[in-house]
Amino acid sequence: DGGITQSPKYLFRKEGQNVTLSCEQNLNHDAMYWYRQDPGQGLRLIYYSQIVNDFQKGDIAEGYSVSREKKESFPLTVTSAQKNPTAFYLCASSSPSGGEDTQYFGPGTRLTVL
Amino acid sequence: KQEVTQIPAALSVPEGENLVLNCSFTDSAIYNLQWFRQDPGKGLTSLLLIQSSQREQTSGRLNASLDKSSGRSTLYIAASQPGDSATYLCAVPYSGNTPLVFGKGTRLSVIA
Repeated sequence: DGGITQSPKYLFRKEGQNVTLSCEQNLNHDAMYWYRQDPGQGLRLIYYSQIVNDFQKGDIAEGYSVSREKKESFPLTVTSAQKNPTAFYLCASSSPSGGEDTQYFGPGTRLTVL
Repeated sequence: KQEVTQIPAALSVPEGENLVLNCSFTDSAIYNLQWFRQDPGKGLTSLLLIQSSQREQTSGRLNASLDKSSGRSTLYIAASQPGDSATYLCAVPYSGNTPLVFGKGTRLSVIA
């Protein structure tokens, strides 16, 4: 089945720890995105990548880092510099250059800081 | 900077009713507009995408319209069912056809 997978589904972080959220897609999409969702809020863009080995900051990139070494993978690291990381994290992909404008989303990772 | 607003924030209707969800955006120079559905604790499911050159799109009981000049879109749901209960999100690209700017959503409850 084609789609986007995110792992883990739930993640708990202690103060001062870095954690990495996984996002993998087998849709052959060029572009991948990370969004953050807080209760009662819309999604906000953290980082996005339109091509392998290239990525751009979104509105709330501080305290986060990403890499795009493979087309299928776009992991997000939440660093200790992110002061309020408790949120629901959603990964998405699309392929505008391939005529696929629709963004497809993964099931999300819920991160809680203990 | 593009901003997206959705009204109402929450809506409760009896089963069988037709309903309209509203979305407005501040910059009318959009590439497309997308409507999504989100169930509690889940990811987003794409419902409809309207290209900037289109006026509306239909999928089953859903119809989305787009009026770029006035910066508005509506999502019409016909003959609502309890299974339609979810949060509906509207989004437009920041620029071109890449990352999306989202509204805060409308939380819909359809009562049997």
